[in-house]
Amino acid sequence: GESVGLHLPTLSVQEGDNSIINCAYSNSASDYFIWYKQESGKGPQFIIDIRSNMDKRQGQRVTVLLNKTVKHLSLQIAATQPGDSAVYFCAEKAGNQFYFGTGTSLTVIP
Amino acid sequence: GAGVSQSPSNKVTEKGKDVELRCDPISGHTALYWYRQRLGQGLEFLIYFQGNSAPDKSGLPSDRFSAERTGESVSTLTIQRTQQEDSAVYLCASSREGIGGYTFGSGTRLTVV
Repeated sequence: GESVGLHLPTLSVQEGDNSIINCAYSNSASDYFIWYKQESGKGPQFIIDIRSNMDKRQGQRVTVLLNKTVKHLSLQIAATQPGDSAVYFCAEKAGNQFYFGTGTSLTVIP
Repeated sequence: GAGVSQSPSNKVTEKGKDVELRCDPISGHTALYWYRQRLGQGLEFLIYFQGNSAPDKSGLPSDRFSAERTGESVSTLTIQRTQQEDSAVYLCASSREGIGGYTFGSGTRLTVV
């Protein structure tokens, strides 16, 4: 089956620092990727997406980088804030399905 | 409503009973997904509806699980003869055209005792 893994299950950063969350995917045919943020007790919330014909996309304080050569995806959060504390999932789309990883728990230390 | 609505938010049921979970997608969203999320784990795909096309049921874990959707409206996920391993949060998500900007509901937390 497909697998989407995360290099680090937990990440702690100081408020104001930049955060980088990494994700490895396995299906070279995946053509679309999304990062989600899930706060405790809530459903995942869309953060940013990227298509496979791009290698970088920027949003507000977030940047997603895609390296198709090594099948690696990363989410960079600039000037991390306490409200960024959550579990972050990457997802790859292959066919009709999105495949999600376990998630990385980000804790922002005030 | 403005978001994806799921009901009930919490459900405790006895082993062997049937349960029905409901998802109200955002109006106009043709695509609808059901996922299962076990504690501390990622999202497990269950089923995908896109418009009037035949649903992709490839993620349903057993024949005890079924889902229906009428047109582009409400979807129900039914679990028959529930087992303890069915305990999880069941999440529904919808999007306008099956790609990008999926909006998730808050989920139904199912506990089978």
